[in-house]
Amino acid sequence: QKEVEQDPGPLSVPEGAIVSLNCTYSNSAFQYFMWYRQYSRKGPELLMYTYSSGNKEDGRFTAQVDKSSKYISLFIRDSQPSDSATYLCAMSGLRGAQKLVFGQGTRLTINP
Amino acid sequence: GAGVSQTPSNKVTEKGKYVELRCDPISGHTALYWYRQSLGQGPEFLIYFQGTGAADDSGLPNDRFFAVRPEGSVSTLKIQRTERGDSAVYLCASSPDSVEQYFGPGTRLTVT
Repeated sequence: QKEVEQDPGPLSVPEGAIVSLNCTYSNSAFQYFMWYRQYSRKGPELLMYTYSSGNKEDGRFTAQVDKSSKYISLFIRDSQPSDSATYLCAMSGLRGAQKLVFGQGTRLTINP
Repeated sequence: GAGVSQTPSNKVTEKGKYVELRCDPISGHTALYWYRQSLGQGPEFLIYFQGTGAADDSGLPNDRFFAVRPEGSVSTLKIQRTERGDSAVYLCASSPDSVEQYFGPGTRLTVT
């Protein structure tokens, strides 16, 4: 079993829809939870990160962490065709500068 | 400002050959990471440098893989006796010794 599980999709939704992306994990030592966006043939781009449990909002994006369930989510409101990409969740331990453990990535397409 | 750069962007080599992949991190970033991403998968950690020293090399798959960062800036990932299974995108990331890691565009390695 992988430390971080993420449904690879693909996920296809109409423009303007609310998108929900999720990951589960097994390692209780994870304290930092990130979401990266990766366009085709590009490197991952950090969208946002959360420390421990709780919610964090940045524009149209909201990240949620539920450590009791070992479950994290990313919500995208008012989705746009430019949001079409692969979304990767990633996690690391308590100390800031540490290796990231990634999920498989969910491929998302927003249809105009 | 300038982001993380990686050269070459593409590398095709024959099985058994030696290859070097280069990473130029963001200026001033003390931490540098190498990851490997296979098709349809999330990045997998290889090695992490803090300054000139390898702080964590637990992700290197075997002794054919080696990385250096002699002056605490540019890093080179070296692969000896390449195998077809080494074909992947090799990603480099740098960080100002914090949880935020900034990725380069990657080097796509194909071993024929």
